[in-house]
Amino acid sequence: DQQVKQNSPSLSVQEGRISILNCDYTNSMFDYFLWYKKYPAEGPTFLISISSIKDKNEDGRFTVFLNKSAKHLSLHIVPSQPGDSAVYFCAASAPFGQNFVFGPGTRLSVLP
Amino acid sequence: DSGVTQTPKHLITATGQRVTLRCSPRSGDLSVYWYQQSLDQGLQFLIQYYNGEERAKGNILERFSAQQFPDLHSELNLSSLELGDSALYFCASSVEGVGAYGYTFGSGTRLTVV
Repeated sequence: DQQVKQNSPSLSVQEGRISILNCDYTNSMFDYFLWYKKYPAEGPTFLISISSIKDKNEDGRFTVFLNKSAKHLSLHIVPSQPGDSAVYFCAASAPFGQNFVFGPGTRLSVLP
Repeated sequence: DSGVTQTPKHLITATGQRVTLRCSPRSGDLSVYWYQQSLDQGLQFLIQYYNGEERAKGNILERFSAQQFPDLHSELNLSSLELGDSALYFCASSVEGVGAYGYTFGSGTRLTVV
């Protein structure tokens, strides 16, 4: 049973446009969420996080939105740049959780 | 360089064999996590150690085992290898458990079983 889902395996966006990556979760106990970015031949790196007490967190070109009632979060990248091309993983944890549960990832391609 | 070191980077071995993957956590981190990423799959949590003790267990096969040593480095042992064990194995570390910035990942060990 996949607790964290990223239903789009891949996404292509034109440079300068908005990229929207989606993530859904099933466990209502999850209260902390992260997005990681992964380039080929490298480990995932932390991008941005959001706690369930907030519905939006912004860091430069990256904004994460959380809709708790829908158990849905999304990552917006504006404007998208070719260097953003990578695999993006959504991850979630529950209170007092010892580990994060990861989604399968979405491969973003930003076309010049 | 994330500060988490994994060796070897690549490993090719035959079915039925046993291998050991090594991880040195970032300086100051007490928790080590192991994740498996198979082709087109997400990161599957295997096991977590905290300061030498097993803290949490995920979808880790009985053929797999791990340990964390007093110097905090960790080893993941994979035995009786099967073709399906071919994957990227990531080690990650954190100061304690889940933190505000998640984990710091190493660059992974790519295991190919032939």
